[in-house]
Amino acid sequence: GENVEQHPSTLSVQEGDSAVIKCTYSDSASNYFPWYKQELGKGPQLIIDIRSNVGEKKDQRIAVTLNKTAKHFSLHITETQPEDSAVYFCAASRDSGYALNFGKGTSLLVT
Amino acid sequence: NAGVTQTPKFRVLKTGQSMTLLCAQDMNHEYMYWYRQDPGMGLRLIHYSVGEGTTAKGEVPDGYNVSRLKKQNFLLGLESAAPSQTSVYFCASSWGGSYQPQHFGDGTRLSIL
Repeated sequence: GENVEQHPSTLSVQEGDSAVIKCTYSDSASNYFPWYKQELGKGPQLIIDIRSNVGEKKDQRIAVTLNKTAKHFSLHITETQPEDSAVYFCAASRDSGYALNFGKGTSLLVT
Repeated sequence: NAGVTQTPKFRVLKTGQSMTLLCAQDMNHEYMYWYRQDPGMGLRLIHYSVGEGTTAKGEVPDGYNVSRLKKQNFLLGLESAAPSQTSVYFCASSWGGSYQPQHFGDGTRLSIL
């Protein structure tokens, strides 16, 4: 089955700096890659997603890049703010599949 | 719009007891999912449903059963609770499988003593 690895497990940045979280996946058939943000006591919320036919996608301060050859994708948050502090999860799934395979999460702290 | 609502929010059980977790969505989604979240493990799929009356096993189905009698509801049952099932349980729903984002509820925190 699909194995999604996520790094780092914890990340601390100063307000205004950028944060980068990286994920790798094992199943070359995976072609949908969402990112979720989870605040304390809440469920995960989708913040951005990318399909395999796109190399990069941006939404205001958040961007995701995908390298299908290397089987890795990354989340970039620029101009970080204290409200960006949360746990972030990457995930991957196949085109015809419906199961999301999640990474183990990155706890981001912005101070 | 409520989105995905999970009931109850917290529960403490004794080993061997049974209970049912309820998930309700008001978005007319076809697909529904149950995940468990454990520290350092991310989210793991327990069971899912691709439509009313259908269910299928996910990555960690043992010890759980599910039912989808109505499109808007997805029930997760523990027949004989074990301490290893102490976890936070999340329900999610989506329009379909491919490229469709999943919308999550706020979870049920379950402790089994």
